[in-house]
Amino acid sequence: SYELSQPPSVSVSPLQTASITCSGDKLGDRYASWYQQKPGQSPVLVIYQDSKRPSGIPERFSGSSSGNTATLTISGTQAMDEADYYCQTWDSSIAVVFGGGTKLTVL
Amino acid sequence: QVQLVESGGGLVKPGGSLRLSCAASGFTFSDYYMSWIRQAPGKGLEWVSYITSSGTTIYYADSVKGRFTISRDNAKNSLYLQMNSLRAEDTAVYFCTRDLSDTSGYLYGMDVWGQGTTVTVSS
Repeated sequence: SYELSQPPSVSVSPLQTASITCSGDKLGDRYASWYQQKPGQSPVLVIYQDSKRPSGIPERFSGSSSGNTATLTISGTQAMDEADYYCQTWDSSIAVVFGGGTKLTVL
Repeated sequence: QVQLVESGGGLVKPGGSLRLSCAASGFTFSDYYMSWIRQAPGKGLEWVSYITSSGTTIYYADSVKGRFTISRDNAKNSLYLQMNSLRAEDTAVYFCTRDLSDTSGYLYGMDVWGQGTTVTVSS
């Protein structure tokens, strides 16, 4: 079965840049999406098709993908960005797969 | 506004059945793929199933294949998940999602999520 791997946790200081990676076999051949989930809330799509931002998502959220790794970057991280982040991909052979999630802590 | 509202969750004994519903509003339901995603207590997101806009193509996660059935009624703007032979490991919050897809059928994200409905499987 196909798996996406994320670091369990990432820490960042306020206003610094946070990077969260997502690794999977030939992930660069597929699109990656990213979701933000705060405690007690439903997930929110923050990046789709590797690097596109839905309307209403701040410009400090960006995404990229190359080779086996997709990356979510948060520039000028704010305290409100502290949350769990999940990557996700789709393929006709694997259907939908989520990464295990990364807890972002803003210290 | 665009909204998804799940219902039908509850406490059920192992081996029992439950039917979840998701009422959609604020968008043309029949234009979108839809999915069910679940999250066990303290765990990550797990995709369960998705259905294309017309209902002609359906995918299931291996963990629920043969036990769960996804369906939709475009006339009623509703999505359903029939869950049979429930197990303790099915205990989770179940989310209904609206999916982004292109004309070739590529599913590239879930852009609207409901608030979730809780399913607890316990004797």
